[in-house]
Amino acid sequence: DAGVIQSPRHEVTEMGQEVTLRCKPISGHNSLFWYRQTMMRGLELLIYFNNNVPIDDSGMPEDRFSAKMPNASFSTLKIQPSEPRDSAVYFCASIIREDEAFFGQGTRLTVV
Amino acid sequence: GDSVTQMEGPVTLSEEAFLTINCTYTATGYPSLFWYVQYPGEGLQLLLKATKADDKGSNKGFEATYRKETTSFHLEKGSVQVSDSAVYFCALSDRKAGTALIFGKGTTLSVSS
Repeated sequence: DAGVIQSPRHEVTEMGQEVTLRCKPISGHNSLFWYRQTMMRGLELLIYFNNNVPIDDSGMPEDRFSAKMPNASFSTLKIQPSEPRDSAVYFCASIIREDEAFFGQGTRLTVV
Repeated sequence: GDSVTQMEGPVTLSEEAFLTINCTYTATGYPSLFWYVQYPGEGLQLLLKATKADDKGSNKGFEATYRKETTSFHLEKGSVQVSDSAVYFCALSDRKAGTALIFGKGTTLSVSS
C-alpha cells in the first residue's frame, strides 16, 4: 500500500482564493482525521470522520473551513476564502483500529 | 476532557547522551498511549505504543512505560544519535472506535556530533 496520499504537497495562493486539499486514506481504514500544524499552536485536530461520517468538527476554526468525505477512499478540506493566517501544514491521517494512526506527508499551504 | 502534556523543548544533546522526554496525561478511562516522531519535511509516524498499565513500548532503542499511578509515559533512550533529531509527540487514544488521537504539543530534539 502506498500509505496515506495527500495532494498537493505545496500550495501557494492569494488571499481570498479558494483552496482545496485532498487526501486518499489507506484502503480499509475506517477513520480519517485532518490536522493543522503551526509553530505557534502545534498540531491541532480540525475534524475527523468515522465510516465517512463527520464525528467531530469542533476543531474547524470557522465557517470558511469545510471538509467532506464522499466515499471511503477520498476526502477534501476546503478553505474559502483563504486568509494569510491559514498558512500552515495540513495533515491527513487514517486509522484502521482505534489506535495507530498513519499520516500523509502533509500539504504546506502559504496564503499571501 | 482528555489531554496530554509534554515537556517543552527544544532539547539539545550531544551524541551518545541519555534522553528523557516527559509526558503526562489526563484521561477518564484507560487509554492507549503513543509516541510519534516527525522528521523534517515529513508526516508523523508511530515510534512506539503501550495499551495498558505497566506495558513497555520499545522501538529503535527508545522505550516508554505506561505508568497509571503517575499518569505518565516518559520517552527514554540510552544513547542518542544525530539521526534521532526530530520532533517527538506524545499521544493518547481512549480506544473507542471513531475517536481521535489527542496529541501533546511536541518536543524538538536536536542531537549534535
